[in-house]
Amino acid sequence: SQQGEEDPQALSIQEGENATMNCSYKTSINNLQWYRQNSGRGLVHLILIRSNEREKHSGRLRVTLDTSKKSSSLLITASRAADTASYFCATDAWQGAQKLVFGQGTRLTINP
Amino acid sequence: DADVTQTPRNRITKTGKRIMLECSQTKGHDRMYWYRQDPGLGLRLIYYSFDVKDINKGEISDGYSVSRQAQAKFSLSLESAIPNQTALYFCATGTSYNEQFFGPGTRLTVL
Repeated sequence: SQQGEEDPQALSIQEGENATMNCSYKTSINNLQWYRQNSGRGLVHLILIRSNEREKHSGRLRVTLDTSKKSSSLLITASRAADTASYFCATDAWQGAQKLVFGQGTRLTINP
Repeated sequence: DADVTQTPRNRITKTGKRIMLECSQTKGHDRMYWYRQDPGLGLRLIYYSFDVKDINKGEISDGYSVSRQAQAKFSLSLESAIPNQTALYFCATGTSYNEQFFGPGTRLTVL
């Protein structure tokens, strides 16, 4: 079963605008990660946020984590055409074997 | 990510054939993973290994087997391929924080 669920499933915006994607999960976690996947290629790790962190930045990326609501958001500021990709959240569950569970992804399209 | 390589990159085979997908890594990570990705779905874990002597089933291991030949090599086998195993397959390595690094993928088509 899916641990993480991204919202929206697809997002289309103009270049230069900000893009926000959300992820909800079900169980307690050690950390939450975001990955990017260009069409048909491998996933690339973007950012990891630990369960005791509330916000983290990396370049144009800002990730927030609300463990009380079991949700996270990924904000991409000043979007570029090269940001067009699918974005996945993945959770590392608190109990059990350490393995990631991925959501179904948000397909982001940046229009020039 | 050139640190994780997969062969072959594309494969077309017939129902009932045995197929092996290979993965090699130069990142020095003990943890390795095999996932499959289907259109509209996220990644689903097939098998994972935390060291050479440790192999674990993921959520969809039926119809698959793996071999961890060395720290750097983790292969996935389909003993008797069937059409619903047509998918994109990814190998990944992982750190102790479970940050994962993916190979470029193998596109497998079973006719």
